[in-house]
Amino acid sequence: GAGVSQSPSNKVTEKGKDVELRCDPISGHTALYWYRQRLGQGLEFLIYFQGNSAPDKSGLPSDRFSAERTGESVSTLTIQRTQQEDSAVYLCASSLGRGNEQFFGPGTRLTVL
Amino acid sequence: DQQVKQNSPSLSVQEGRISILNCDYTNSMFDYFLWYKKYPAEGPTFLISISSIKDKNEDGRFTVFLNKSAKHLSLHIVPSQPGDSAVYFCAASAIFGNEKLTFGTGTRLTIIP
Repeated sequence: GAGVSQSPSNKVTEKGKDVELRCDPISGHTALYWYRQRLGQGLEFLIYFQGNSAPDKSGLPSDRFSAERTGESVSTLTIQRTQQEDSAVYLCASSLGRGNEQFFGPGTRLTVL
Repeated sequence: DQQVKQNSPSLSVQEGRISILNCDYTNSMFDYFLWYKKYPAEGPTFLISISSIKDKNEDGRFTVFLNKSAKHLSLHIVPSQPGDSAVYFCAASAIFGNEKLTFGTGTRLTIIP
């Protein structure tokens, strides 16, 4: 069966531009998570969706970051006015919900020049 | 504030020997611990987990030990195989929270044939 997919796999953008990253979770998974991994660091939690609502946005680094989820499926993470420190691999994960394993996508590598 | 710490960035082990990866945590609310394995250009894949009511969980060649009083866990791989070469992340969550995972910075394991 299909796993978590993310697009694009790589994105190079110029400082100040907006970017949109997409995540398609495993069908039927109600929980969806966004993480990012900056070079040499561990994965850093950004936001969690249960269904279409986001009970925990505490990891979003600034108001330039936003995310939405529609139809309890696809989610998009938007970064406005990108900065060089936004360069990272952005990972999406989904799960069946409480107490279940999180399955990760391959990530989107974002490079801000 | 790094709540999950993996103090060894890298580890090399001879094929056939035991690999021991260590992880420490500081947040006493964590009650569920996981190990993920990550190959280059792929998302992390779940390996093994342990809940705080146990002190050991075994799955084939992989065993995770939890010492709650020391806030320490370890992953043992025996015997180590070349395919085990990857980056291993320790993660923790509060199962009655929103289940966001807090990750360590990872340990790169290299198995020497």
